[in-house]
Amino acid sequence: DIQMTQSPSSLSASVGDRVTITCRASQGIRNYLAWYQQKPGKVPKLLIYDASTLQLGVPSRFSGSGSGTDFTLTISSLQPEDVATYHCQSYASAPLTFGGGTKVEIK
Amino acid sequence: EVQLVESGGGLVQPGRSLRISCAVSGFTFNEYAMHWVRQTPGKGLEWVSGLSWNGRYVVYADSVKGRFTISRDDVKKSLYLQMSSLRPEDTALYYCAKDQGSIPSFLDSWGQGTLVSVSS
Repeated sequence: DIQMTQSPSSLSASVGDRVTITCRASQGIRNYLAWYQQKPGKVPKLLIYDASTLQLGVPSRFSGSGSGTDFTLTISSLQPEDVATYHCQSYASAPLTFGGGTKVEIK
Repeated sequence: EVQLVESGGGLVQPGRSLRISCAVSGFTFNEYAMHWVRQTPGKGLEWVSGLSWNGRYVVYADSVKGRFTISRDDVKKSLYLQMSSLRPEDTALYYCAKDQGSIPSFLDSWGQGTLVSVSS
């Protein structure tokens, strides 16, 4: 099974900062990676799929990159409404797997 | 508007069974793969099971294989998860989620979840 490792597990940054979250797959998954945002007390929301395609309605300050085993989610200018836990997910093969999540807070 | 409404959660003793359901609306149910994903409070997401648009391709996480069964009823527009031989570690909020396509991949809509607690 493919294992997904996210880092860091949490981070604190100032409004306007550039924030980067990484996700590493235990084996190559091409670009079969999605990112989800889960705000406190809310359900997960799809942000990005196919590693870099923004879901409709997602602000352009979010971007994704990577292929193979190493992927990144970048928030170009952190906003207060971006406080959330971010999860990556591989869909290259079954079973589907999520990373452990990265909690983003405002400093 | 896509809506996914889970039901059937509750408190159950270890070793017993429980079936949870998900009623959907707002999209053509029989065209999409569907999933169950669970989350322990304060923890990450764990994908549990998924099935293709026609129910012929079914996959499970290793942690539930042989104990859980996913199914769908296209007439009732509902997704089910039959859980047997439940363990305390199965305690979680169970989300129903819609796939973006016809075979399991990524999830573009989620329900609010139903809580399953396994305890004596």
